[in-house]
Amino acid sequence: TQLLEQSPQFLSIQEGENLTVYCNSSSVFSSLQWYRQEPGEGPVLLVTVVTGGEVKKLKRLTFQFGDARKDSSLHITAAQPGDTGLYLCAGVGLFSGGGADGLTFGKGTHLIIQP
Amino acid sequence: GAGVSQSPSNKVTEKGKDVELRCDPISGHTALYWYRQRLGQGLEFLIYFQGNSAPDKSGLPSDRFSAERTGESVSTLTIQRTQQEDSAVYLCASSPFGQEFYGYTFGSGTRLTVV
Repeated sequence: TQLLEQSPQFLSIQEGENLTVYCNSSSVFSSLQWYRQEPGEGPVLLVTVVTGGEVKKLKRLTFQFGDARKDSSLHITAAQPGDTGLYLCAGVGLFSGGGADGLTFGKGTHLIIQP
Repeated sequence: GAGVSQSPSNKVTEKGKDVELRCDPISGHTALYWYRQRLGQGLEFLIYFQGNSAPDKSGLPSDRFSAERTGESVSTLTIQRTQQEDSAVYLCASSPFGQEFYGYTFGSGTRLTVV
């Protein structure tokens, strides 16, 4: 069973601050995805990282895939109230055949940005 | 359709009643997934369809839960004799065949409350 540990579980910061959330595993993944979920909505895909060491930027969000493809981080610069939500990481196993092995989700980081 | 559509968006039912939850995936997406999300928690895998075949039913919590899919379109998740612990948001997601590598598209979910 592949597990993804996300930290911190909860984070509340002031508008304008920077933050980093982490997604760690002992397993290697062929790709890793980050989703954001707002209250009353389903998760929305933000980014997929594929190559070890890869860095992707989405406006003020920077995503990094670890060199060994076991971990990832999400860094937000100058956080805004609109960034509030549940951030989920999800990994695709090396031998994915769909189903339960297709995508492993972490439990998420609840992020609150206070004005 | 343009996105994954789920209905109803909210359902309140009495303990012991049966409920049916519906998911309309994106047209052409052959893979369809059901997840359960308890309050404040991450995503719990329930079942995966490839076309109208369900190769992975490993996540269904009990024999009170069942799901079917018509061709490569609508899927129905049925919960019989509902219990209070079934209260959760039920999320449906779809992706093109073998494309979980790139990410899923989720619906907004059905919030089920068993009273």
